[in-house]
Amino acid sequence: QVQLVESGGGLVKPGGSLRLSCAASGFSFGDYYMSWIRQAPGKGLEWVSYITSSGRSIYYADSVKGRFTISRDNANNSVSLQMHGLRAEDTAVYYCAREMSGNYATFDSWGLGTLVTVSS
Amino acid sequence: DFQMTQSPSSLSASVGDRVTITCRASQSISSSLNWYQQKPGKAPKLLISSSSNLQTGVPARFGGSGSGSDFTLTISSLQPEDFATYYCQQSYSIPWTFGQGTKVEI
Repeated sequence: QVQLVESGGGLVKPGGSLRLSCAASGFSFGDYYMSWIRQAPGKGLEWVSYITSSGRSIYYADSVKGRFTISRDNANNSVSLQMHGLRAEDTAVYYCAREMSGNYATFDSWGLGTLVTVSS
Repeated sequence: DFQMTQSPSSLSASVGDRVTITCRASQSISSSLNWYQQKPGKAPKLLISSSSNLQTGVPARFGGSGSGSDFTLTISSLQPEDFATYYCQQSYSIPWTFGQGTKVEI
């Protein structure tokens, strides 16, 4: 079955960097668009970044543009989020999510998430 | 950006009740509206896509409707396992945005 497993979260100081990874299995990863979506503690969901199946098209939320970089490795069935210049407001659970085939920006599979805490 | 506003923010209902959650977009989004359910400590789960398409495996007591700016998620007969927070999300335009959530308490 479809499985998405995030890793790489942790405690980091303001201004620091972190790289999140998402390992995918159970589906043809290279055929799907992928996103990162985050949820601050006790808050709602915020879409962060998106990458097409080939990696040619990439989008970011304004809140992370210029600081975060999304990438993917179709040979190894993984998508990553490199985060620089982290701020307290980046503290959240970060989910990796798959876009449903044929349904633009509809997320039909999610990982369990990885917690990023930005604090001194 | 398209702002998504859900109402109510929370509600308390009894088993067997009919529950309605509304989602309003700041501009027309056609039928590009999805609904998710999130239980505490879990990832969101897609319930309904494109306003009214029930996902495979989702109980038929869940239903969605609407187009343009106004959308509705209805639970026809609330069950104990439906205790959760529900989010709408527009898939019309980047940045894709979510409503603030509606917490359903049994």
